[in-house]
Amino acid sequence: ELKVEQNPLFLSMQEGKNYTIYCNYSTTSDRLYWYRQDPGKSLESLFVLLSNGAVKQEGRLMASLDTKARLSTLHITAAVHDLSATYFCAATWGSTDKLIFGTGTRLQVFP
Amino acid sequence: NAGVTQTPKFQVLKTGQSMTLQCAQDMNHEYMSWYRQDPGMGLRLIHYSVGAGITDQGEVPNGYNVSRSTTEDFPLRLLSAAPSQTSVYFCASSPRGGPPANSPLHFGNGTRLTVT
Repeated sequence: ELKVEQNPLFLSMQEGKNYTIYCNYSTTSDRLYWYRQDPGKSLESLFVLLSNGAVKQEGRLMASLDTKARLSTLHITAAVHDLSATYFCAATWGSTDKLIFGTGTRLQVFP
Repeated sequence: NAGVTQTPKFQVLKTGQSMTLQCAQDMNHEYMSWYRQDPGMGLRLIHYSVGAGITDQGEVPNGYNVSRSTTEDFPLRLLSAAPSQTSVYFCASSPRGGPPANSPLHFGNGTRLTVT
């Protein structure tokens, strides 16, 4: 059974600071995804990571994947208030079509 | 382009009642899935389908039924609602097969269900 764990679960950070969210998964996975969810809203796709060493960047967010360590990271650079949201990672269960989500990291950015 | 449409947006049921949550997509996506979201537990996969006539169980399938008679529709049925099924339900879809298989899920706006 695939387990996906994120930490921290809650992150309060000051504007302008850097931080990293970690996503560990327990078994082999073909694909790793990152999503963002604003309060009361649906989920929005951020990144799809397909291979070991993959790195993708969009604005102040950068995601990476280490399949050997079964670890993905979401790095936030110089945080701004607009990044306040809940961030989820999700991994496919082996080569199946089951996409399993982590519990999410709630990020609050304050002045 | 409507994307993934879920109805209703809100629903209140009494214990033991049945209902169907509707999900439709107009993107000709082969893959569709249902998740429930509960505080502190992220999203948990209920059922999924890789094409018309094909469905499979996810992490938490008990108490829910699905069918996929067309590519566009993937309804979720609660046969006898229980308070433990109070949650926000999301339907999602994506292409499948070839490079588009690596596309992320497209989510609907969710259905907030309360069972009293």
